[in-house]
Amino acid sequence: GNSVTQMEGPVTLSEEAFLTINCTYTATGYPSLFWYVQYPGEGLQLLLKATKADDKGSNKGFEATYRKETTSFHLEKGSVQVSDSAVYFCALSPNYGGATNKLIFGTGTLLAVQP
Amino acid sequence: DTGVSQDPRHKITKRGQNVTFRCDPISEHNRLYWYRQTLGQGPEFLTYFQNEAQLEKSRLLSDRFSAERPKGSFSTLEIQRTEQGDSAMYLCASSFHRGSNTGELFFGEGSRLTVL
Repeated sequence: GNSVTQMEGPVTLSEEAFLTINCTYTATGYPSLFWYVQYPGEGLQLLLKATKADDKGSNKGFEATYRKETTSFHLEKGSVQVSDSAVYFCALSPNYGGATNKLIFGTGTLLAVQP
Repeated sequence: DTGVSQDPRHKITKRGQNVTFRCDPISEHNRLYWYRQTLGQGPEFLTYFQNEAQLEKSRLLSDRFSAERPKGSFSTLEIQRTEQGDSAMYLCASSFHRGSNTGELFFGEGSRLTVL
C-alpha cells in the first residue's frame, strides 16, 4: 500500500543552521509528493510539491527533490529562522500529475529554531 | 477572510452523545475533504465531495459517521454515539478541480473533539 515515513522530532536547531527532514515513501505507480507546514495555531499549508521523478519543489528557501531511486523526498533549507518553527508533514498523493484527491501524510516533524 | 472555516473549533462531549461539525470551504472550490488527525499522527483521509456528490469514503468512516454537502457549498460531519476513540482533530480542506487537474488543498484550522 501507500505510506510515508518521516523522521521523528523534535528537531531543535539554532538560527541560520542547515535543516534536513528526511521523508521516504512507499507507493505503487507514480505518486506526487508534498511538504505541508503547520505553524502554531494555524491550519496546514502547502509548502512545496513535486509531481514526477527528479522534480525539485522549492518555496521560501525550502527545497525537496523527488528521488524515485531512493523513494525519498527530503526537505532542506540552508539557513533556518525562528519563524520556521512549525510542524512539517511529508505527504503523497497516489495520483499522477499532482491531482490531490487523497493525501497520505507522514506523522509530522516538529522543528524548533532557537535564536 | 475567505479561507476555509470550521465550526466549532472545540467540542467536549460525553460518550454516547452526537456531535456535528461544519465546514465552509473557499467559495469557488468545488471539492471538499474531511481528514482526521490524532495526537502525534498525520492527518488521515476520511471522505471527499465534488460539489454535492460524495465520491470516496475511507474505511475509517464507520457507520456512526456521516458527512453531507447538500448544496455543494458547506459540509457537515456528524458523529453519532461518540466513543472515546473519536477524540481527534477533524480537518476540512477544499480545492478547485477541473478535468484531470486538482489544485492545491487549502485546510481549515480544524475542529477538536474531546469525548469524555
